[in-house]
Amino acid sequence: QKEVEQDPGPLSVPEGAIVSLNCTYSNSAFQYFMWYRQYSRKGPELLMYTYSSGNKEDGRFTAQVDKSSKYISLFIRDSQPSDSATYLCAMKEYSSASKIIFGSGTRLSIRP
Amino acid sequence: NAGVTQTPKFQVLKTGQSMTLQCAQDMNHEYMSWYRQDPGMGLRLIHYSVGAGITDQGEVPNGYNVSRSTTEDFPLRLLSAAPSQTSVYFCASSYRGEVEKLFFGSGTQLSVL
Repeated sequence: QKEVEQDPGPLSVPEGAIVSLNCTYSNSAFQYFMWYRQYSRKGPELLMYTYSSGNKEDGRFTAQVDKSSKYISLFIRDSQPSDSATYLCAMKEYSSASKIIFGSGTRLSIRP
Repeated sequence: NAGVTQTPKFQVLKTGQSMTLQCAQDMNHEYMSWYRQDPGMGLRLIHYSVGAGITDQGEVPNGYNVSRSTTEDFPLRLLSAAPSQTSVYFCASSYRGEVEKLFFGSGTQLSVL
């Protein structure tokens, strides 16, 4: 079993819709949770990160962490065609020298 | 500010050939790492380094060597390329206390025939 599971999609929604992207994990030692966005033929870029359970908002994006269920989500409100990309969740344990484990990524397409 | 620079962008090798993928960063980041990205597999960590002279293995280290002689550079060496190493390779860096905030290069697409 992979440490981090992510539905690969693809996910296609109309412009303006609310998008929900999810990951589950098995390692209870994960303490840091990140979402990266990757446009086609580019390197990933950090979108959001959080250290605690609950919600964190940044503009149209909300990251949600439920440590008791080992489940994280990324919500995108008022989705735009420019949000079309692959979204990767990532996690790591507390130690600063530890490894970051990525999910397989969800490909998202926003239809105009 | 160049960020993380990877060279080359594309490379084709024959089985058994060796080569080095270059990675350089100009942000004075202590932490550097190499990932490979394959369809459906996400990013998998190959090797990482928390500072000059210090390296460690990631999830998929076999067939790859690294060294870190300076803070800026973290080359990845393939000693004897195999078709299974066909992939897109990404180098990433961050401050040691903020490893979760990785900055990625633009990638190297490698094909081994």
